[in-house]
Amino acid sequence: GQQVMQIPQYQHVQEGEDFTTYCNSSTTLSNIQWYKQRPGGHPVFLIQLVKSGEVKKQKRLTFQFGEAKKNSSLHITATQTTDVGTYFCAGPGGNNRLAFGKGNQVVVIP
Amino acid sequence: DGGITQSPKYLFRKEGQNVTLSCEQNLNHDAMYWYRQDPGQGLRLIYYSQIVNDFQKGDIAEGYSVSREKKESFPLTVTSAQKNPTAFYLCATSTLSTSYNEQFFGPGTRLTVL
Repeated sequence: GQQVMQIPQYQHVQEGEDFTTYCNSSTTLSNIQWYKQRPGGHPVFLIQLVKSGEVKKQKRLTFQFGEAKKNSSLHITATQTTDVGTYFCAGPGGNNRLAFGKGNQVVVIP
Repeated sequence: DGGITQSPKYLFRKEGQNVTLSCEQNLNHDAMYWYRQDPGQGLRLIYYSQIVNDFQKGDIAEGYSVSREKKESFPLTVTSAQKNPTAFYLCATSTLSTSYNEQFFGPGTRLTVL
């Protein structure tokens, strides 16, 4: 199945600043999904991107799918303490499976 | 997720004992999945099932077993053959109605083997 790599693995972000997390694949992805897991919680679906170059926004979150459909990014502006958690991207893993990246753990510094 | 129940939230077992983790869903989803989560390792797929009485191995199936006798239920047994069973176990479901289906996760069971 396909594999997706996430960078960075860890981020410390000052409250109020912006940050970006990246997801890369060596092969073309038909779609990419993003999930967020709060500390002690379970992953929750955020969004799915399907089209080449697609950009979607959810309030302070901007999701982008690369033109070649091999990479994706999540950009968060004006970070708040509620943004703490681990952000996962996931690509198709074949046979209705998902291939999750290892996640980007984000710590917010007040 | 409100429609997926995993119990208990915390589970302790002695080494060498088999233990079964429950996963029940009322979302009427066809597919169910079991993941294992370790710090820094992301989500690793153990087993998944797309239809009753059928299931497939994931990436780390050794030492685990599952059954899918009902659409609503997909229990996972961690056997004594699993060398390092202490982990956070997550059950997920999805529909199979389209090609792009998000997964819905249960609250998870944190298993500690002493």
